[in-house]
Amino acid sequence: DVKVTQSSRYLVKRTGEKVFLECVQDMDHENMFWYRQDPGLGLRLIYFSYDVKMKEKGDIPEGYSVSREKKERFSLILESASTNQTSMYLCASSSVAVPGDRAPYGYTFGSGTRLTVV
Amino acid sequence: AQSVAQPEDQVNVAEGNPLTVKCTYSVSGNPYLFWYVQYPNRGLQFLLKYITGDNLVKGSYGFEAEFNKSQTSFHLKKPSALVSDSALYFCAVTPGDYKLSFGAGTTVTVRA
Repeated sequence: DVKVTQSSRYLVKRTGEKVFLECVQDMDHENMFWYRQDPGLGLRLIYFSYDVKMKEKGDIPEGYSVSREKKERFSLILESASTNQTSMYLCASSSVAVPGDRAPYGYTFGSGTRLTVV
Repeated sequence: AQSVAQPEDQVNVAEGNPLTVKCTYSVSGNPYLFWYVQYPNRGLQFLLKYITGDNLVKGSYGFEAEFNKSQTSFHLKKPSALVSDSALYFCAVTPGDYKLSFGAGTTVTVRA
C-alpha cells in the first residue's frame, strides 16, 4: 500500500528550539505539501514542493522553511519555535495531475504530527 | 481560482438515521471532487471521488456522494449512520492540475 510517513506522531519542543518535521513518500510523487491544521481554521498550506530543491510558499509560510534534497523526502523546519506554532502538521503528496493513475486518491496524507511548543 | 464551501461546521445525527454532509464548489472547467475523512489525531483518508460519468458515486464504509452540476454541489451521504462515523469530513476540488482546494471541514457526531 502506498504511504506517506511522518517521522513523529507527537512532539514537544521548547520555545526557541529549531524543529525538524520529516515526511517521506514511497509513490515517486513529484509534489509534496505541508499543511497546518487548527480547530475552526481547516487546512492551511504552509509550503509545497513540485520538484527536488524547488519550493513555493503557501498561505502561511512565516516562521517556517522547507527542504527537499531528495524526491521522496520533504522536511518542514521551524527556525525558532514559538507557542503559536503549536498545532497539527500534515504532510501530503501527489503526482503532477490530480486525479491520475499515480494519484488515484488525490492527495495522500501522512498520519500527522501533533506539535506542542512550551 | 477554485474554492469549496462546507456550510455546516457540525452535523449531529442519531445512529441509524441518514447522514448528509453538504459541499458546494467553484472551479473553472470540469471539476474533480473528493471527500476525505479524518479521525482524531490522524491524517486525512480518502473516501470517494467524482471524475466523470454517473452522478452518484459510491465509496468506502457505505458512503456515497451525489454530483449535481447545476447546483455545483457534491453532498456526502450515508443511508444509516454509525457511531463509528463520527469524524471530521473534508470536501475538496481540483480542475485537474495538482492544486486541490479543501473546504473548512464538517464535524459529524453520531449519537448512540
